[in-house]
Amino acid sequence: QSVLTQPPSVSGAPGQRVTISCTGSSSNIGAPYDVHWYLQLPGTAPKLLIYVNNNRPSGVPDRFSGSRSGTSASLAITGLQADDEADYYCQSYDFSLNAYVFGTGTKVTVL
Amino acid sequence: QVQLQQSGPGLVKPSQTLSLTCVISGDSVSSNSAAWNWIRQSPSRGLEWLGRTYYRSRWYYDYAVSLGSRIGINPDTSKNQFSLQLNSVTPEDTAVYYCARDPPYCLSCLDVWGQGTTVTVSS
Repeated sequence: QSVLTQPPSVSGAPGQRVTISCTGSSSNIGAPYDVHWYLQLPGTAPKLLIYVNNNRPSGVPDRFSGSRSGTSASLAITGLQADDEADYYCQSYDFSLNAYVFGTGTKVTVL
Repeated sequence: QVQLQQSGPGLVKPSQTLSLTCVISGDSVSSNSAAWNWIRQSPSRGLEWLGRTYYRSRWYYDYAVSLGSRIGINPDTSKNQFSLQLNSVTPEDTAVYYCARDPPYCLSCLDVWGQGTTVTVSS
């Protein structure tokens, strides 16, 4: 049902850099509508991590960064830490659906 | 600090109506620059946006097309809350339901979420 496509999983060793892609279409990311990223720990609500493509809410470390290009976006995590293990979701708006749309989700594993 | 507190039953029988409430603190449901959303999450459907309400001189309502006429989102200014009603539920509506705020500083992001309510549709 998800409109935005993400890889199911990515992994990296502590200290490494990982990236998560988010692929959409011309009716959402490519329109262009802004992309936002969320982190979700098991049993908790998603938490806003990046908003409007590359902005961090207060309290989010600068190890997290976002970018958008064409119909895709990506989230980068540098200096990977054990605490970064979580599910990550991208989100945008789709004008053809007149709806907020989410990505399929990516599980980040720290090796 | 904005907080959202959800309440409602965790078990609903098939064909009945699912009703959840989200109480807002630290902001107003009548804010001219925020929007109030419902989202659900299930293993089969992932995160799914259900709808929103917002006030811009009058009340507006947007709903996911997939839900058709089954959904209603209603603001209650006297209690500073908004509610979700989903009619004619089936087991496919079993999910964790969240309320969330779309804040003034970004169009379409969701910066504050309720704690989530696990709703099971079963007889």
